[in-house]
Amino acid sequence: DGGITQSPKYLFRKEGQNVTLSCEQNLNHDAMYWYRQDPGQGLRLIYYSQIVNDFQKGDIAEGYSVSREKKESFPLTVTSAQKNPTAFYLCASSINGETQYFGPGTRLLVL
Amino acid sequence: GQNIDQPTEMTATEGAIVQINCTYQTSGFNGLFWYQQHAGEAPTFLSYNVLDGLEEKGRFSSFLSRSKGYSYLLLKELQMKDSASYLCAVSLGSGNTPLVFGKGTRLSVIA
Repeated sequence: DGGITQSPKYLFRKEGQNVTLSCEQNLNHDAMYWYRQDPGQGLRLIYYSQIVNDFQKGDIAEGYSVSREKKESFPLTVTSAQKNPTAFYLCASSINGETQYFGPGTRLLVL
Repeated sequence: GQNIDQPTEMTATEGAIVQINCTYQTSGFNGLFWYQQHAGEAPTFLSYNVLDGLEEKGRFSSFLSRSKGYSYLLLKELQMKDSASYLCAVSLGSGNTPLVFGKGTRLSVIA
């Protein structure tokens, strides 16, 4: 059945390491988004993509990178330049400006 | 900048009615969304308002006044499972544009 999947559920990052969070959707949605959630804060936009091979920075893009080579996939890389990566990462998708639907999230922890 | 305000925490009794308010001041407006988020899980869509007035969906209703920059989510016949965070989010433009989120209201339902 259709939906958005994120993997892994938990991810551990060592100092100086780049890690990649996976987001896949089979809803045929054009747009995909990455948000970060910290305790006591709302969701903040990292990157979004409205179409394949195109993406835009959000409010907190520094230290992150993305790619959108396929409609179904929008992976997020947390680079070593992101000094405070511990957070809950949520991927979402939408079509025609309608409701955004979220994946189950990945919790990133620093060792 | 974008500003979306909602109370941080609320407590209500099982079987009662609770109203969660959201005020917004944003550079654009193309609709307001309410999401429910249980601890450690992804947000799930509850309601969408783009025109003034009340939208009712079972035990949940949402109201919008665009002239006042104000919305509320009304939960009736509260159940213990309604204990969650409720997120108010504004779409700034048409099409597949990212949402701007408030910090969320954590609702505790007590017996």
